[in-house]
Amino acid sequence: QVQLVQSGAEVKKPGSSVKVSCKASGGTFSSYAISWVRQAPGQGLEWMGGIIPIFGTANYAQKFQDRVTITADESANTAYMELSSLRSEDTAVYYCARDGYNNGAFDIWGQGTVVIVSS
Amino acid sequence: EIVLTQSPGTLSLSPGERATLSCRASQSVSSSYLAWYQQKPGQAPRLLIYGASSRTTGIPDRFSGSGSGTDFTLTISRLEPEDFAVYYCQQYGSSPPTFGQGTKVEIK
Repeated sequence: QVQLVQSGAEVKKPGSSVKVSCKASGGTFSSYAISWVRQAPGQGLEWMGGIIPIFGTANYAQKFQDRVTITADESANTAYMELSSLRSEDTAVYYCARDGYNNGAFDIWGQGTVVIVSS
Repeated sequence: EIVLTQSPGTLSLSPGERATLSCRASQSVSSSYLAWYQQKPGQAPRLLIYGASSRTTGIPDRFSGSGSGTDFTLTISRLEPEDFAVYYCQQYGSSPPTFGQGTKVEIK
C-alpha cells in the first residue's frame, strides 16, 4: 500500500521560502498526479497545484501561480512544493495527496507539514 | 472556478441517527466528478466517496453519496461514534479543483 511521508514542521520568517517534500513508499509513484493542498488554522482545504511525475509538468492555482513551484524526482519517488515570499497568511498545514483514480479525487494523503510564518 | 457551498455548517446528532449533508455547486459539476472526505482533528482528510456515489475501498456501506449537476448529498445511515468529524465535498470536474467549506457532524 502506497504511503506518502512528508518532511517535518518548519518555522519561517516573512519574505523567505519553504520547501516541503513528499516521499512515496510501497508502490508506483510516477504515473499518478500528486497535488498539494493547504489548510490554514481552523479553515477549509485549498488546492495549490499538482504534478504528474512521469510528465514533469506542473499546474497551479491562479492564486499561487507567482509564488509556488511544484517539482518531482522520479528516481527518489519524491515530490516537492516550494512556496516563496512567505507571509503570515501562509501559516497552515500543507498536505500532499495522490490522485489515485487519475481523475482528480485524492485517495492517499501525506500526514501534513506544519508551516508557521512568523517574525 | 466552481464554488461549493455545504450545508448545514454544523449537524448535531446522536449515535444511531441518520446524517444528511448537502453540497451545492455554483455551476454544474461535469461527469459527476464530486468527492467527499472525512477529516478528524489532527489528521489528514480521508476519501470516502468519488464520482458522486462510489465508495472507496474500506469505507463502510453506511456512507452513501448521491446527486448530479449542482446538487449532491452525503448520507450516513446510522452514525457510529467514529463518524463524528468534519466532512468536505470537492469537485474535480473543472480546474482548479475546489472544496466546500465543510460540515461538522457533532455529538448531540
